[in-house]
Parts: sequence; structure tokens; C-alpha cells
Amino acid sequence: DIVMTQSPDSLAVSLGERATINCKSSQSVLYSSNNKNYLAWYQQKPGQPPKLLFYWASTRESGVPDRFSASGSGTDFTLTISSLQAEDVAVYYCQQYYNTPPTFGQGTKLEIK
Amino acid sequence: EVQLVESGGGLAQPGGSLRLSCTASGFTFTTHAMTWVRQAPGKGLQWVSAISNTGSSTYYADSVKGRFTISRDYSKNTVYLQMNSLRAEDTAVYYCARVLTTANTPDYWGQGTLVTVSS
Repeated sequence: DIVMTQSPDSLAVSLGERATINCKSSQSVLYSSNNKNYLAWYQQKPGQPPKLLFYWASTRESGVPDRFSASGSGTDFTLTISSLQAEDVAVYYCQQYYNTPPTFGQGTKLEIK
Repeated sequence: EVQLVESGGGLAQPGGSLRLSCTASGFTFTTHAMTWVRQAPGKGLQWVSAISNTGSSTYYADSVKGRFTISRDYSKNTVYLQMNSLRAEDTAVYYCARVLTTANTPDYWGQGTLVTVSS
């Protein structure tokens, strides 16, 4: 199975400041035949199901604010919130869907400083 | 509006069985694969099982293979997860999710149903 490792485990950022979450996969999730990274990002607020933010590593899901961005390729990926808002407090997960079983990172808990 | 409503969770004894249901609405059920993902209390997300849009292919995590069975009923727009030989470590909120047609990853998720395995 592909192991997904996120860093940090938790993060406290001031309102309006930048938040950056990293995700590393134990093997490349870049499929050479189509040059796509099989990597998604999810946001989970307390008591709610996960919400898809990005897929193909950087394709923003409809309705996701543009203060959220995602990048990376191969084994190293980043989720960035350019200006943290109170409603962004959540746990963020990366997930690979390169092969079965799809696997998630352990999650990064984002809080307000 | 896409809606996924899970039901069937509850308390089961070790070795017992439960059947979870997920009723879908607001989209063409035949177009999408469907999946179950679970989350143990206070823990992260773990993929459990998936079924193709046609129902012809099913997939399982090693931890549930041989114990859980996923299926779908097109007349009821419903996906099922039959869970047998339940263990304490199966205790979790089970989420049903729709899989994107353009990328093999979930987009819409239900609210989840809690399964507790305890004597």
C-alpha cells in the first residue's frame, strides 16, 4: 500500500496569515501515460463528513474559495491557504487514488493562533 | 442537489452482522462508482470498499475482505455494505461517498452512520 505522510500533524496560524500543509507519498502517484498526479485533498470540519477540495493534485473542486491552492508532483504535494479565515478551521487530509487501496494521510489539524 | 443518506448503523456484538444502506438522489446513479470510507472515533479516514458504476467490479480493503460485501440496487438507487463477523476494530462512522467520473476519488459524502461493535 502507498503510505501518505502529512506534515505537520497540527498547525496554528493567525487569521489572515498563510497556512501550508505538506503531503508525501511513499511512491510516486504520477501516472506517466497521462501526466496526472492521482492525489486529492479533503477538508473535514468537526462533526461533518469530508469535503473534496482538489483532485489531480491541483484541480479545484467547484465552490472551493480561491484562497485555497494545491500543488506538487510525484511524491511531494502542498495545500496552501493564502489568508486564513475562521471557517477554515478543520482537519485536512491528502489521499492517493493511484492504486487500490486508496490511502489517506493521517490528517493535519488547522487551528487559529 | 446530490444527497447520500446512510442508515443501518448501531450496536453489534463481536461476531455479529449489520447491513448498512446508502440511498442516493440528485444524480444519475448508474453513472458513478460508489465507495465506503470509515473513521474510527477520533481517528483518520480509512477506505473500506468500492463498487463500479455497473456493479460488475468490487474492491475491498484487506482488513474487511471476506467479511464485508458491497452491492448496489439500481431500482432503489441504494448501495449496501453487508458486514459480517464484526470485530471491535470495525467500530467507526461509516461514510458512503460518490466517486467522481473523471477521477477515481470521492466527491460527495453522506453524513455517516455509526457502527459500534461491543459486547
